[in-house]
This record gives sequence, structure tokens and C-alpha cells, in this order.
Amino acid sequence: DTGVSQNPRHKITKRGQNVTFRCDPISEHNRLYWYRQTLGQGPEFLTYFQNEAQLEKSRLLSDRFSAERPKGSFSTLEIQRTEQGDSAMYLCASSLLGPRDRGRSRNEQFFGPGTRLTVL
Amino acid sequence: QKEVEQNSGPLSVPEGAIASLNCTYSDRGSQSFFWYRQYSGKSPELIMFIYSNGDKEDGRFTAQLNKASQYVSLLIRDSQPSDSATYLCAVPPGASGYSTLTFGKGTMLLVSP
Repeated sequence: DTGVSQNPRHKITKRGQNVTFRCDPISEHNRLYWYRQTLGQGPEFLTYFQNEAQLEKSRLLSDRFSAERPKGSFSTLEIQRTEQGDSAMYLCASSLLGPRDRGRSRNEQFFGPGTRLTVL
Repeated sequence: QKEVEQNSGPLSVPEGAIASLNCTYSDRGSQSFFWYRQYSGKSPELIMFIYSNGDKEDGRFTAQLNKASQYVSLLIRDSQPSDSATYLCAVPPGASGYSTLTFGKGTMLLVSP
């Protein structure tokens, strides 16, 4: 399978517990993104990496959230002291930032299957 | 706050008809535009992208972009029941085009046999 993979696919936890999700991007992709999606909404950006550097974080990303991409390959997203409001689908996407197309980068993002988090 | 607006639907069309999905965006600097399809319980799947004003066709799908009106649409010809899904419009902020995506809430499409 050469697509984006995410583990686990489902996670049920109790409020206050810590959880960690993993994302493996498409192998040659240098950019990796985390999004969160709740029912009836589009995905909301959380953070992204170019190689191992975390380039941007959303204001949605509270200090309970941390993401890493230590070797520029897979990434982890950790949520500490989970709250019921954290229940959502956590989506990972990857892209290849390559040659520009007429001054615009062809940065198509491809999503993994997601990790559905339920906080009880 | 950069916004992407879509009618939530559902948009109901009979099999074989043309489905027209619309999206407006607020950031005049945006240069690239993406359409994703999302089946219930699944993750978004990229189906079209467009950078230039006008139309771009790929099979049964046509994306239309009008930057002056800040409007992008997706036409699905010969709609099939398997096209029933939520269609998400996504726009990167600013002129760089290679950054995060701001998504609309999506339009649910229902194609009846």
C-alpha cells in the first residue's frame, strides 16, 4: 500500500488520559499535515511539517496538543489530558512540494484514512 | 479569517443528470483550488484541482474557476448513485498556494437511481 496510513484507526479513551496517533505519509512526500474533522464540518487545519520542521500551527492547537516528525518521515500527534471536546476524526495528509507550475506549487494533499477519537 | 462557503445541501439529482456544486472563497490572493469527495465515515479523496480561470475537465468532472467573482464550481455529468457523497471545496490561503487548506463545510450530493 503506497498511500498515507494512520494508526490506530479508532481510539476510545477516558477524559484526562493521554493519546498518541501515528501517521506514515506517502514515501517521497516532504510535507505532512494534521487536520481535525467533526461531524458536519470540513477538516480544520492543526499543523504541518516540511521534512522534520514544524512550519505552522493553528490557533486551534492548544498546549495539550503536540506533534512531531523527528526524522522527516512518520509523524505523531499527542493529546494530553483529553477532553470530551477532543472527540473527532484526526486526519493526516501528505504532499510533495516540488517544482512550481507557472509560479504556483502543485501541492495536492492526499489524506490517510483517519483516526477516530472518542473521549468518554 | 479566510472563509470558504458551500451550501450544505443535500443536493438531490436523478441518475444521469448533471450535478452542479458551488463554492465561494474570501481570499482574493488564493491561486489554487481543490475539490475533495468524502464518503460517509471515510476520509477526503482528491478528485480535481484547478489553478487557472476557466474550465478544467477530467472524465465526468469539470471544475470551473472565476477568480473575479471568487467562485469555483464542480460539475458532475451523468451522475451515478456511487457519486453520492459530500463534496468539499478547499483553498490554500494567499498567493503562495503551497500551504495549508481551508475547507468549506461540504455539500452533500444524493443521486437517486
